[in-house]
Amino acid sequence: GAGVSQSPSNKVTEKGKDVELRCDPISGHTALYWYRQRLGQGLEFLIYFQGNSAPDKSGLPSDRFSAERTGESVSTLTIQRTQQEDSAVYLCASSLASGGGDEQFFGPGTRLTVL
Amino acid sequence: GESVGLHLPTLSVQEGDNSIINCAYSNSASDYFIWYKQESGKGPQFIIDIRSNMDKRQGQRVTVLLNKTVKHLSLQIAATQPGDSAVYFCAENMRGSARQLTFGSGTQLTVLP
Repeated sequence: GAGVSQSPSNKVTEKGKDVELRCDPISGHTALYWYRQRLGQGLEFLIYFQGNSAPDKSGLPSDRFSAERTGESVSTLTIQRTQQEDSAVYLCASSLASGGGDEQFFGPGTRLTVL
Repeated sequence: GESVGLHLPTLSVQEGDNSIINCAYSNSASDYFIWYKQESGKGPQFIIDIRSNMDKRQGQRVTVLLNKTVKHLSLQIAATQPGDSAVYFCAENMRGSARQLTFGSGTQLTVLP
């Protein structure tokens, strides 16, 4: 089947605007992760969803960031009142389960540029 | 190794030579380690993984070595090819309620013709 998909692939916005990024995980994957990757750097964990459990939001950098997931399907990451420091690639990953050691499959990412 | 700011560690190798990419991880409680390859404009792609009860694991042209004593991980690529040029990340997975990966800063591998 299809891999993880993300939309849009690129997003340019003005400082202060809100943006919404979408992730469609692999069908049947119960775990979903959002990461942020700044230019030339590694991935920073943002938030994690596992089934119907409360999400782990420990990586969200500020209260301007939020995410939702509908059941075990699509997830949206929302950034309110964007700042230039939010410019990065936002990557979504999904895995079959979160019992430890389950391979995470990544989407191509959304490149966000805040002017 | 670690990078500072925007400067990724780089490794240049001749096509056909072997490559060794190193990574130091931070948490002695980590029990699962993964190497990812990321080509420009794409998401990370799984290469190989290893659990903490192992010291070595081999795949096709790749070998991962784990030294828990010094918290060091390495990726060896045999007979490096131009298509291997990419940024390589190690990631550790810590036992706990959340299973998010903690990534290193990456190494840029360039294969020279």
